[in-house]
Amino acid sequence: DQQVKQNSPSLSVQEGRISILNCDYTNSMFDYFLWYKKYPAEGPTFLISISSIKDKNEDGRFTVFLNKSAKHLSLHIVPSQPGDSAVYFCAASTGNQFYFGTGTSLTVIP
Amino acid sequence: EAGVTQFPSHSVIEKGQTVTLRCDPISGHDNLYWYRRVMGKEIKFLLHFVKESKQDESGMPNNRFLAERTGGTYSTLKVQPAELEDSGVYFCASSPGQGSAQHFGDGTRLSIL
Repeated sequence: DQQVKQNSPSLSVQEGRISILNCDYTNSMFDYFLWYKKYPAEGPTFLISISSIKDKNEDGRFTVFLNKSAKHLSLHIVPSQPGDSAVYFCAASTGNQFYFGTGTSLTVIP
Repeated sequence: EAGVTQFPSHSVIEKGQTVTLRCDPISGHDNLYWYRRVMGKEIKFLLHFVKESKQDESGMPNNRFLAERTGGTYSTLKVQPAELEDSGVYFCASSPGQGSAQHFGDGTRLSIL
């Protein structure tokens, strides 16, 4: 009964282009959403978050979009850089427990 | 500011043995979380401490897992006896407040033979 799903296990993008990572959730009680980035042999690093009262949050090259009616969020990275190559996890919270997706491995090709 | 540190980084033990994982959260973070990731799967919640108290342990798989947080500082997660299905990467995370972004350690990779 996975409540947060990332249906694309991998994504390849050319350097300089836009990377779009997607995430779907099932629990309408989630009110806080986050994206984490993970390099091999390291723990996930917080990247960007969004509250359910917003539909967009931007931080430099990273923008997260939230569509509550579709229970969908996405992370846009533009322009993509080779250093962005990593596994990206989305997470959702009801205020206490956090639920993570299975991750999407992003490869940015120079 | 020192990040979340976990020890050991890797542990290989035989089925039936006992293993204890340790997590030192960021200083001042009252909230401490344990997660587990089995290869290729999601990062799954195990439990949540607020200071020394267990706030939520609904994710603990069974009673072979015991978590403690002495004095509200570091935490240990003991697996006794270890079974093959316990293999995975165990992450610890901490945060200053409930619901705020969590800071993760690099994890302990546990391999049960």
